[in-house]
Amino acid sequence: EAGVAQSPRYKIIEKRQSVAFWCNPISGHATLYWYQQILGQGPKLLIQFQNNGVVDDSQLPKDRFSAERLKGVDSTLKIQPAKLEDSAVYLCASSLDNIRNEQYFGPGTRLTVT
Amino acid sequence: GENVEQHPSTLSVQEGDSAVIKCTYSDSASNYFPWYKQELGKRPQLIIDIRSNVGEKKDQRIAVTLNKTAKHFSLHITETQPEDSAVYFCAASKRGAQKLVFGQGTRLTINP
Repeated sequence: EAGVAQSPRYKIIEKRQSVAFWCNPISGHATLYWYQQILGQGPKLLIQFQNNGVVDDSQLPKDRFSAERLKGVDSTLKIQPAKLEDSAVYLCASSLDNIRNEQYFGPGTRLTVT
Repeated sequence: GENVEQHPSTLSVQEGDSAVIKCTYSDSASNYFPWYKQELGKRPQLIIDIRSNVGEKKDQRIAVTLNKTAKHFSLHITETQPEDSAVYFCAASKRGAQKLVFGQGTRLTINP
């Protein structure tokens, strides 16, 4: 079974530029999550989708971050404009449904904002 | 909201010895407690999890215990091996909200 795919793996941008990350969850997984992991810390949830609907985006900085999962499969996370403090690894995870909560993570995108 | 505290932040043990990592959570409604292993530059990998209807779960050399009354859970690794060296994260989630709240992580080093 293929795992969660993410791209790009690395991205370096200057502050105030924009960037987008892509995630393809495990086939058949209805729930998709985007987490931000700052160096030395545990992942922190940014947004959770159930199929193509948003379940929780309470910790998403909506003035600069946006995410979508239009067809209920792939998802994109965008930052515009980026700030220095956005430097982190952005992890995508998926789970089968909203009952069994085993979450499987992708390899992440390491973002460096200079 | 939920808060998860994890201790210790670093742990060094001799190969073959046991390692124990402890976490406490604040929300009594939490009912799912996974543990993830993250090697340097790699994705977090789910290694074991426990739900609030059981007190202990074991899978070969790793085990997790849960004390709902005290709101804490622990990861136990026996007969440690060099490949167990990694950062370990505990997490918690509650009914109706699948988001995981993570602890701060424990860097485990196995000394040969």
